[in-house]
Amino acid sequence: AQSVTQLGSHVSVSEGALVLLRCNYSSSVPPYLFWYVQYPNQGLQLLLKYTSAATLVKGINGFEAEFKKSETSFHLTKPSAHMSDAAEYFCAVSDLGGATNKLIFGTGTLLAVQP
Amino acid sequence: KAGVTQTPRYLIKTRGQQVTLSCSPISGHRSVSWYQQTPGQGLQFLFEYFSETQRNKGNFPGRFSGRQFSNSRSEMNVSTLELGDSALYLCASSLVASGGAYEQFFGPGTRLTVL
Repeated sequence: AQSVTQLGSHVSVSEGALVLLRCNYSSSVPPYLFWYVQYPNQGLQLLLKYTSAATLVKGINGFEAEFKKSETSFHLTKPSAHMSDAAEYFCAVSDLGGATNKLIFGTGTLLAVQP
Repeated sequence: KAGVTQTPRYLIKTRGQQVTLSCSPISGHRSVSWYQQTPGQGLQFLFEYFSETQRNKGNFPGRFSGRQFSNSRSEMNVSTLELGDSALYLCASSLVASGGAYEQFFGPGTRLTVL
């Protein structure tokens, strides 16, 4: 079965520091992988997705993620954190089969950005 | 273009009551999925509809049901509410069911509190 594991439920960085949010996946077939961000009292917004094209995926707001099959990882990074990046981030994998939009989410990582 | 809208945004019910939540997808989108988000269980898939047909269902009791109308609007119903049903219910819409090839757009959610 598909699954994702996010290491670290809380991550705190200083403004201007590197952001690294970890996600490992388990999939029996080449996966579609996603990173979503959720701001307080809002829905989820797609940051980026991997669909087996380029292994380095660039998303919105300066975020990017690299798909590493050998490590079954899809970590999210941003070179320089802004205060506005404080939010909860979710890694997700698409369920098996292209005929469903079902997503399986990780438990989330709450990112705090210190001034 | 208008985003996904969910009504109501906030709802307070008592145990044993039933509730209906509504989701209006982005114009032209035919796939609607529902998720439950709680602090303890995280984001869990409820069900997915495409062209008025339920395509996929998560592991929830039969008290949870849904439907989709010909205009793609969707409703979900929870009967005999329990305290544990308190959650943020998120709706997502997409053009088609594609496993992630087409982006899913999330609404702001309905916050249900069961007293």
